[in-house]
This record gives sequence, C-alpha cells and structure tokens, in this order.
Amino acid sequence: GAGVSQSPSNKVTEKGKDVELRCDPISGHTALYWYRQRLGQGLEFLIYFQGNSAPDKSGLPSDRFSAERTGESVSTLTIQRTQQEDSAVYLCASSLINPTGGSGYTFGSGTRLTVV
Amino acid sequence: KNEVEQSPQNLTAQEGEFITINCSYSVGISALHWLQQHPGGGIVSLFMLSSGKKKHGRLIATINIQEKHSSLHITASHPRDSAVYICAVSPPPYNTDKLIFGTGTRLQVFP
Repeated sequence: GAGVSQSPSNKVTEKGKDVELRCDPISGHTALYWYRQRLGQGLEFLIYFQGNSAPDKSGLPSDRFSAERTGESVSTLTIQRTQQEDSAVYLCASSLINPTGGSGYTFGSGTRLTVV
Repeated sequence: KNEVEQSPQNLTAQEGEFITINCSYSVGISALHWLQQHPGGGIVSLFMLSSGKKKHGRLIATINIQEKHSSLHITASHPRDSAVYICAVSPPPYNTDKLIFGTGTRLQVFP
C-alpha cells in the first residue's frame, strides 16, 4: 500500500480482555517496528521485526504482550489480560534496511487503546 | 538521564521567526531522525541524517557527530508548523533502525 496502515484506529476494551492490533507495512519494507506512546509521554520501543523474525523484543513490557509477523507483511500485536496502564497509542512503523542503515522510515497513524 | 535530550521542551514564536530546536545524545548512533507529530498523533519523518546537513523547503537539519548534537531549524515559521518535533536516534546494533526518542519539543507559532 501507499502507507503504513493500522487497525483499528480506536479500541476501547474492558480490563482483563485480550486485544489484537494490526499493522500493514509499506510493501517491500523488510523492517517493522511497534512503539507505544502513553498520554503525555514520549515514544517507547516495543519490538522490531526483520522479515518474520523478531531479533529485538526487548521493549515488550511484560509476557502479556506478544507480536507476530507473517512474512514481510502484516503484523499483529496482542495484549492479553489488558490492564489500565496498557492504555496508550500503539504506533507501527516500517522501513527498508540496507547495510549502511535504514531509509524510508514511515509511521502508521496508530491505534488508540483505552482500557476501562 | 535520557539517552536523547531535547531543548527547549516548549517553544512559542511569532509567524515569520527563525526557530531552532536542539538535540543531544549520549550513545553511538548510525543515524538521527527528526520527526513531526501533529495534534491527533500522526507522525511524519522529516529527516534522517548521519552527517552534515539536509534541507527540505523551510526546514534544515544539521548534525555534529563528534559533539553528538543535532539541530532542526525552521525558517520563516508559520502557524501550520505548530506541532511536536521529536529527535530520535538509531543506536547499536547498527543493522536495525530501532529508535530511541527524545521527549519532544512542543512548538506553537502564532499569527
């Protein structure tokens, strides 16, 4: 597609429920990233995919968080047993990776998750 | 201490003023990014640079690798430039583009 697409754009869920957030990267972008932005705070790294493997998942805050990616395409971020502190905007980004560093870093418009 | 520090945190300006936002970082990097975040949350990548200077329209970004410092300049500022400007760096390992972000500079330009 022309840009990074995320769905849903907004999600309100009850505490304790599981949620799935979806990201469609730019076609051909091998790298995919998930970030989180809590209200009034900066962006935090969650996980990085190169193809369908995740060499860096150091930012996932707990084992309730998991993510997968199919090939060099769609990724889903799953949060199990949601807590109120999970409320945030979840941003996905994709980029090309070349030997000297990335280019074409593009963000999606985010999923605003509210846990009530 | 954050690995990426920005200053100022907040900035107000009159239309037409020249604006400078500063970013200092404490880690080795492969690249530095300047991002723009508008109300409503959408993030746009303005620049990615690893040396020297880049210019796009009224925006100029510079980086000094030795001093671990970058600046974003906006010439002839306009109210539509009002946004949060975020500095982010790509730390080691250098075969990824994982970013570490500054806390952002909130810019308001008044007519």
